[in-house]
Amino acid sequence: DTEVTQTPKHLVMGMTNKKSLKCEQHMGHRAMYWYKQKAKKPPELMFVYSYEKLSINESVPSRFSPECPNSSLLNLHLHALQPEDSALYLCASSQPAPRGYTFGSGTRLTVV
Amino acid sequence: KQEVTQIPAALSVPEGENLVLNCSFTDSAIYNLQWFRQDPGKGLTSLLLIQSSQREQTSGRLNASLDKSSGRSTLYIAASQPGDSATYLCAVRPLGRGSTLGRLYFGRGTQLTVWP
Repeated sequence: DTEVTQTPKHLVMGMTNKKSLKCEQHMGHRAMYWYKQKAKKPPELMFVYSYEKLSINESVPSRFSPECPNSSLLNLHLHALQPEDSALYLCASSQPAPRGYTFGSGTRLTVV
Repeated sequence: KQEVTQIPAALSVPEGENLVLNCSFTDSAIYNLQWFRQDPGKGLTSLLLIQSSQREQTSGRLNASLDKSSGRSTLYIAASQPGDSATYLCAVRPLGRGSTLGRLYFGRGTQLTVWP
């Protein structure tokens, strides 16, 4: 298995909703990442988990809450989002450098 | 802070042309450089990974070169096809720890259109 699987592919949520994004990989990668990408822009790093521990939080608002239950799973819990949070959310995984990254196909999130 | 620049921002060519996409970065202290393809609204597909000690990598019609000392990489696409239409992103993985651990620095991409 050489893939990163993200679910759901599309999500529409209201500003008072609570939802979660899920990411799964079975490549044995010990680093996992959440990126946010707005239209016509490059991906922006949100969180890095290394060996199931949060190692980087890029000053992301607390309405985004990451979780890494085990080495294969990464979740992003969403609560009280704003319309400007609408974006493509990408999960990725990697082995320690100098290995490359593998990205998932993303979740298209729309906040209404 | 590492900055990555891609030129051109957009490219529109007829089918069959050989293409050159450019990527430059400001800090040569990198582990590797990775080229990705992104179709509209989709995730990133890795095309080529070049380690800092390597000069080039090839996959099919794609060839990527790396000149770490000058902070440049080039992606060559031979005999372009309409199916090559996508945005191409380059990203560098820096050496170091702390705030740079594990992160990629992306360019803004080159949007390629190949018309029949």
